Amino acid sequence: GAVVSQHPSWVICKSGTSVKIECRSLDFQATTMFWYRQFPKQSLMLMATSNEGSKATYEQGVEKDKFLINHASLTLSTLTVTSAHPEDSSFYICSARGQGLETQYFGPGTRLLVL
Amino acid sequence: AQKITQTQPGMFVQEKEAVTLDCTYDTSDQSYGLFWYKQPSSGEMIFLIYQGSYDEQNATEGRYSLNFQKARKSANLVISASQLGDSAMYFCAMREFYNDYKLSFGAGTTVTVRA
Repeated sequence: GAVVSQHPSWVICKSGTSVKIECRSLDFQATTMFWYRQFPKQSLMLMATSNEGSKATYEQGVEKDKFLINHASLTLSTLTVTSAHPEDSSFYICSARGQGLETQYFGPGTRLLVL
Repeated sequence: AQKITQTQPGMFVQEKEAVTLDCTYDTSDQSYGLFWYKQPSSGEMIFLIYQGSYDEQNATEGRYSLNFQKARKSANLVISASQLGDSAMYFCAMREFYNDYKLSFGAGTTVTVRA
């Protein structure tokens, strides 16, 4: 149980385009979903927290107009990187937590390369 | 201030031997949770083990055990009988009660298992 999927796993795009990443909880309802960014050989940096049906809460320094997060249902959250630039190239990983569950379960991550 | 400190950037361990990964944490909360995750080169974050601050016994999950020393604020992970597939990055993380289930991650420890 507690499976989280993420799509796509890889994306290469041109500078200036927008990229949408989906995060789905497959076998549980996710009360809260989290979006992280990770650079090579570094730890995870929390970008934002989203609760179903409400606006995401962004961490300090994360541009909310740049990284749009939508949590439209209890099983789906999306992260849209708008007008992507090469410096946005990174590994983006989501996690989900169900009602009453202590543990966050992570998706497999999305590698974004902006050319 | 760093909430989670992992002082070992990298470790080598011989196959079938045990390895201990250090983790110390800093919190003024009485209620918190401690987690260990494994991240292989594929990037997915795999949940290994959880310890609640009020749990009196050390958590164990198969070959993984958590050596929880509350007074010292340490939560070391012990992997027994190491296998080649254990080669990965290991992250210690903490969830504080007041912090809406957000996880604070350590810098990680890279474990390489030698045959």
